[in-house]
Amino acid sequence: AQKVTQAQTEISVVEKEDVTLDCVYETRDTTYYLFWYKQPPSGELVFLIRRNSFDEQNEISGRYSWNFQKSTSSFNFTITASQVVDSAVYFCALTANTGGFKTIFGAGTRLFVKA
Amino acid sequence: GAGVSQSPRYKVAKRGQDVALRCDPISGHVSLFWYQQALGQGPEFLTYFQNEAQLDKSGLPSDRFFAERPEGSVSTLKIQRTQQEDSAVYLCASSPTGLTSVEAKNIQYFGAGTRLSVL
Repeated sequence: AQKVTQAQTEISVVEKEDVTLDCVYETRDTTYYLFWYKQPPSGELVFLIRRNSFDEQNEISGRYSWNFQKSTSSFNFTITASQVVDSAVYFCALTANTGGFKTIFGAGTRLFVKA
Repeated sequence: GAGVSQSPRYKVAKRGQDVALRCDPISGHVSLFWYQQALGQGPEFLTYFQNEAQLDKSGLPSDRFFAERPEGSVSTLKIQRTQQEDSAVYLCASSPTGLTSVEAKNIQYFGAGTRLSVL
């Protein structure tokens, strides 16, 4: 079975603080893809990043960075110097080869960034 | 259009009514997905189309749910005899290639969803 767990339901920070959103996944596949999506109040999910299971290199994109560790089945997302515009729900997701066409989403973490 | 378009944005139905939700994917996108998102939860897979072929409908919760994509572009999700538990946001996503190749676990582009409330 495949599963994505985002243990943090809500996080509240003050602007300019750094914040890390946790994601733990379960799959028996050796080939899989992990994603992070952002869902602002407007509703549509916005793609942030995709990693495949063979690439554990961490990635940085501006204020965003991702830490992929297969040893702990985690794919955590850090926002540095958070801004009010970062307030949204963030979803971690998994697609594995034996999962066919399904993408499994976590329950999401709602981030509040206060000015 | 530039993105995935869904209509209507909001739908209120009386229990027992039939509803039809429309999705216009990004032009030329091969793959189309429907998801159901309950309040405070992540999206849950309903069904997948590659062009006009429905390759996976394992997530449809009951036989009251039916989806089609007859010409491989616009898709409609139909719910018959709606129940209160059908209340949710229904999201549509499209992706440029099919999911039958190793490289094809693609980024999905989402619409803003249709919020269905069944009274």
